[in-house]
Amino acid sequence: DTAVSQTPKYLVTQMGNDKSIKCEQNLGHDTMYWYKQDSKKFLKIMFSYNNKELIINETVPNRFSPKSPDKAHLNLHINSLELGDSAVYFCASSQKNDRGFSGANVLTFGAGSRLTVL
Amino acid sequence: RKEVEQDPGPFNVPEGATVAFNCTYSNSASQSFFWYRQDCRKEPKLLMSVYSSGNEDGRFTAQLNRASQYISLLIRDSKLSDSATYLCVVTPDRGSTLGRLYFGRGTQLTVWP
Repeated sequence: DTAVSQTPKYLVTQMGNDKSIKCEQNLGHDTMYWYKQDSKKFLKIMFSYNNKELIINETVPNRFSPKSPDKAHLNLHINSLELGDSAVYFCASSQKNDRGFSGANVLTFGAGSRLTVL
Repeated sequence: RKEVEQDPGPFNVPEGATVAFNCTYSNSASQSFFWYRQDCRKEPKLLMSVYSSGNEDGRFTAQLNRASQYISLLIRDSKLSDSATYLCVVTPDRGSTLGRLYFGRGTQLTVWP
């Protein structure tokens, strides 16, 4: 049973198109994230949702819109794709830990969605 | 300046060797520290948390030096299966939102037979 699953695994598309990546977690975690890993391998946070509420929105272009229908799902929609959007997008989740930070900062990642914009 | 700086390597070592990775972080108020491991074309996975007193998990030892803003990972008796990229991860100060992790670009390790 996959803990954090995201689809599609690979996505090749033309500039200007709109695409979506879906993510689901079956860990019962309260918080979900989207991270982007670019060609230089840096992983950067894009968004974070806690129980369907947006709590982190890094300086990401408005073309990127996350949607969380429930706390087990966090989807990412990208409008008007650009060449620079080519990257691996990782979904992740973590458990809210009221006792401190450690649990909330331990992320379980999905396998990644490799987006190539031509 | 990047939040987390790591030597990207690559480090190429024989099986059985001891290898150490270092990383520095820029925010002196950073609260939590981790090492994640990422295999080629796979997702990052938590290897271990790093505590102020230092901690060990089998062949892996992590150390934190807050004064120098420096984190290390020592791998003893390297195995072929240790070949991966090791990511140094830091959380910002206590006032920031939980779950905002800053990742280093990773240090690549290859263990050869």
